[in-house]
Amino acid sequence: EDKVVQSPLSLVVHEGDTVTLNCSYEVTNFRSLLWYKQEKKAPTFLFMLTSSGIEKKSGRLSSILDKKELFSILNITATQTGDSAIYLCAELPAGGTSYGKLTFGQGTILTVHP
Amino acid sequence: DGGITQSPKYLFRKEGQNVTLSCEQNLNHDAMYWYRQDPGQGLRLIYYSQIVNDFQKGDIAEGYSVSREKKESFPLTVTSAQKNPTAFYLCATHSWGEAFFGQGTRLTVV
Repeated sequence: EDKVVQSPLSLVVHEGDTVTLNCSYEVTNFRSLLWYKQEKKAPTFLFMLTSSGIEKKSGRLSSILDKKELFSILNITATQTGDSAIYLCAELPAGGTSYGKLTFGQGTILTVHP
Repeated sequence: DGGITQSPKYLFRKEGQNVTLSCEQNLNHDAMYWYRQDPGQGLRLIYYSQIVNDFQKGDIAEGYSVSREKKESFPLTVTSAQKNPTAFYLCATHSWGEAFFGQGTRLTVV
C-alpha cells in the first residue's frame, strides 16, 4: 500500500523566517509528487514534481524531489502571515492515465506569527 | 466559470439519519473523488469514479455510498452506518495528476 509521510506535523515561526517542510513516500509505482496549500477550504495546487533533482520555484516557494531517497521538500523563504496554512503533499502513481488516485500525507500545519 | 460546486457548505445531521452531499463539476473531467478530512489532518479517500456508472472504494469507504449516473455529478451519501461522520468532506476531479477541489462540505452530527 502506498504511503506518504510529512514532517513536521506542525510548525510555528515568525515572519521572515525560512521553513522547510518534508515529505517522504513509499510507493510501488511512482509517477509524480504534488504539493498543495490549504488555507480554509479547498486545497490549492502549488507544484507537481516528476523528475529528480529539478527545482520548481514560484516566488518565495520552491520544491525539489529526490527519487533515489524517496522524498521531497518544500521551502518557503521570508515567510509571511499569509503563508499560514496546512501544506499537503500527495503521490500520484504511474498508470498511464489521467485517473490515478492521489495518496495524501497527513499535512503540515504552518503558523506564521507577525 | 469552470469548477466544482459542492453543496451544502454546512450540514447538520441527527444520529441515525442518512445525508447526501452534492458534487457537480463542469470541467468535463472523467475522474471524480471524495475525500474526508478530520481536524489538523490530511485527506483520506472515500470513493472514486473514473467513468460514468462505475466507482471504486477508497481507503475508508465503510458507511458511505456513491453513485455516478452523469459525468457531471458524483453525490456522496453518508449513511447511519458511519460511526463518526463529523468531518470536512472534499470533492475533487483529477486531470493528468493535478487535483481540482470543491469548497467542501462541513458535516456535523448533533
